[in-house]
Amino acid sequence: GENVEQHPSTLSVQEGDSAVIKCTYSDSASNYFPWYKQELGKRPQLIIDIRSNVGEKKDQRIAVTLNKTAKHFSLHITETQPEDSAVYFCAASKYNFNKFYFGSGTKLNVKP
Amino acid sequence: EAGVAQSPRYKIIEKRQSVAFWCNPISGHATLYWYQQILGQGPKLLIQFQNNGVVDDSQLPKDRFSAERLKGVDSTLKIQPAKLEDSAVYLCASSLVNSPLHFGNGTRLTVT
Repeated sequence: GENVEQHPSTLSVQEGDSAVIKCTYSDSASNYFPWYKQELGKRPQLIIDIRSNVGEKKDQRIAVTLNKTAKHFSLHITETQPEDSAVYFCAASKYNFNKFYFGSGTKLNVKP
Repeated sequence: EAGVAQSPRYKIIEKRQSVAFWCNPISGHATLYWYQQILGQGPKLLIQFQNNGVVDDSQLPKDRFSAERLKGVDSTLKIQPAKLEDSAVYLCASSLVNSPLHFGNGTRLTVT
């Protein structure tokens, strides 16, 4: 099955700095890569996603890049704010999005 | 649109007792998932339903866990008997075909 690895496990940045979280996947058939944000005690919520036919996608302060050859994808958050503090999960999916495999999560702490 | 509903929100039981969780997916979502999220880890798929049929239950500990989805809508997940290592958040999610996951708020289970 698919194996998704996520790094780093924790990340601490100063408010206003950028944050980058990286994930690798093992199955070259994976074709959809969502990112979820989970605040303490709350449900994971989709923040951005990318399909394998696109190399980069941006939504305001967040962006995701995908390198299919190297089988890795990254989440970039610019101008970080304290409310960005949360756990972020990457995931990989294939077969028309029916199966999702999650990374182990990155706890992001944005210091004011 | 209404989100994925789960109950109860919290549950504390003693080991060897039984417990059941309930999930109501977003209306019209054919695919329903149960994930187990142990503290500090990413969600791990337990079982996936497509309408009322099981698509994947390969990681479900079938000696103690069971799940059903009656009439292709609501679902229940049961643990009997519970072990200490079952302490986790149990997340229900649903999706349309070719669509990202929508998670419920989860049930936090503590086994003492």
